[in-house]
This record gives sequence, C-alpha cells and structure tokens, in this order.
Amino acid sequence: DAGVIQSPRHEVTEMGQEVTLRCKPISGHNSLFWYRQTMMRGLELLIYFNNNVPIDDSGMPEDRFSAKMPNASFSTLKIQPSEPRDSAVYFCASWGSPGDTEAFFGQGTRLTVV
Amino acid sequence: AQSVTQLDSHVSVSEGTPVLLRCNYSSSYSPSLFWYVQHPNKGLQLLLKYTSAATLVKGINGFEAEFKKSETSFHLTKPSAHMSDAAEYFCVVTYSGNTPLVFGKGTRLSVIA
Repeated sequence: DAGVIQSPRHEVTEMGQEVTLRCKPISGHNSLFWYRQTMMRGLELLIYFNNNVPIDDSGMPEDRFSAKMPNASFSTLKIQPSEPRDSAVYFCASWGSPGDTEAFFGQGTRLTVV
Repeated sequence: AQSVTQLDSHVSVSEGTPVLLRCNYSSSYSPSLFWYVQHPNKGLQLLLKYTSAATLVKGINGFEAEFKKSETSFHLTKPSAHMSDAAEYFCVVTYSGNTPLVFGKGTRLSVIA
C-alpha cells in the first residue's frame, strides 16, 4: 500500500480564494483524521471520521472550514474563503484495520495564503 | 479527558551522549501511548508505541520508552545521540483505535557535534 496520500503537497493561494485539500486513506482503514500544524499551536485535531461519518468537528476553527468523506477512500478539507492565518501544514491520518495499533500519516499539505 | 504534557520544549545534547525526552499523560482510560518524530519539512514517523503489553518498549533507531503507570509517564530515551536524531518529537495518547490521537506540544531535539 502506498500509505496515506495527500494532495497537493504545496498550495499557495490568495486571500479570499477557496482551497481544497485532499486525502486518500489506507485501504481498509475506517477512521480518518485531519490535523493542522502551526508553530504557535502545534498539532491540532480539526475533525475525525469513523466509517465515513464525522464524529467530532469541534476542532474546526470556524464556518469557513468544512470537511467531507463521501466514501471510504477519499476525504476533502475545504477552506472558503481562505485567510492568511490559515497558513499551516495540514495532515491527514488513518487507522482502524484489525490489528492496527498506530495511525499512519500522510506527508502533509503546506498551505500558504497570501 | 486525555492530554499529554511534554516537559521540555527544547533539549540539546552532545553527539554520543544519552537522550531523555520527558512526557506525562493524563487519561481516564487505559491509554495507548506513542512517540512520533518529525524531521524538518517532513511528515510524522512512528518511533514506538505502547498498547498495554510490555512496559518497556523498543522502537526504531535505538530509541526506547518505559510506561510507568504510577508516575503517568512515558519518557523517551536513547543511550547515545546521533546527529541524525535532531528533529521534533511528539508524545501522543489515545485509548482506542477509533478515537483521535492527542498530541503534546513537541520537544525539539538538537544534537551538537
């Protein structure tokens, strides 16, 4: 398996534009997590899904952020409109296969909003 | 509620000397504990994990950690630091495979030649 795949790896956008980050979890995993990493706040959980259902989105900063998981193999995190303070590295992670005892992380998407 | 506290934001050691990165956890349930490492501009890599088996856990690159329930600690150690160990280290807690990982703030390890 290629692991958790995130795209794009880097994104530079102008303030006010819509940004969509994508994640493909490892096949068979039934939990998916979105994290954001900044220097000031470290790694924060934004939202997580079990079996494609959002369980806890209390970490989503505000209504500009939304996440979907239309099927077991794909998730998106959307920011509309984007602001400079959204600049961060966004990580997706998955786990939940029988016997799994760790979460597997993607390489992250580095978002810069100018 | 679950939480982890990494007691040092930055640790600096000389190459060849021991490494100690400290972590205390708070969990209402029997926890699973992890250490992840992040090299500059890279993703997160699992170093080792504790999931209620042996309390002394050995990981990759010579790292190990000991789960001490009485002290609610899970400190990371390595007998001899290498330059390539310079990175950010995160202590992480959860209590099942379908609940979120809760990250500590991270400890930046510097290794001096």
